[in-house]
Amino acid sequence: AQKITQTQPGMFVQEKEAVTLDCTYDTSDPSYGLFWYKQPSSGEMIFLIYQGSYDQQNATEGRYSLNFQKARKSANLVISASQLGDSAMYFCAFRERYNTDKLIFGTGTRLQVFP
Amino acid sequence: EAQVTQNPRYLITVTGKKLTVTCSQNMNHEYMSWYRQDPGLGLRQIYYSMNVEVTDKGDVPEGYKVSRKEKRNFPLILESPSPNQTSLYFCASSLSRGLENSPLHFGNGTRLTVT
Repeated sequence: AQKITQTQPGMFVQEKEAVTLDCTYDTSDPSYGLFWYKQPSSGEMIFLIYQGSYDQQNATEGRYSLNFQKARKSANLVISASQLGDSAMYFCAFRERYNTDKLIFGTGTRLQVFP
Repeated sequence: EAQVTQNPRYLITVTGKKLTVTCSQNMNHEYMSWYRQDPGLGLRQIYYSMNVEVTDKGDVPEGYKVSRKEKRNFPLILESPSPNQTSLYFCASSLSRGLENSPLHFGNGTRLTVT
């Protein structure tokens, strides 16, 4: 069974608009961490934002925020005021407390920002 | 500058010719890992290491070897590469395996083609 799912293979957004990238996960571990990474066309993996399962507030980092809905097991990334440089692949990943040897990745969403 | 350094960035080789991809981190991280990235499959873990002289298999270890003789280095060895090992490879490290909130820091990737 898929542990982490990104259902949107591709998304388009106009510059300066906000966009939400979906991510759902499956775990019975009460303690876990959720991560989002950006992969531009140059190939490197850039860490964007982290959300802990016990965090009371949704994580924010600049224009990135995480819409964390624990009961629904979703951790959607919201990018506000999109910029052309946001065009990239975005990966959701998580790590369980009782299986911290592995960061499990989704299959990614390709975001295209157009002028 | 804190970083994970992989070499080479690009590698083209022939079936059966042994190769090594080097990985080094300067952050004194205990945990290191290798992933491969293939279209539609996201990132899959090959091997990981929790500390010096401690390595273990990930999800797709067949055809690969690793070693961890020093804390900073974690080379990936392909003893007899085959075309199905053509992929984008990432080395990553994090402060500790025991923390679910510890993000992975990635190298810039090695694009391997086996003909």
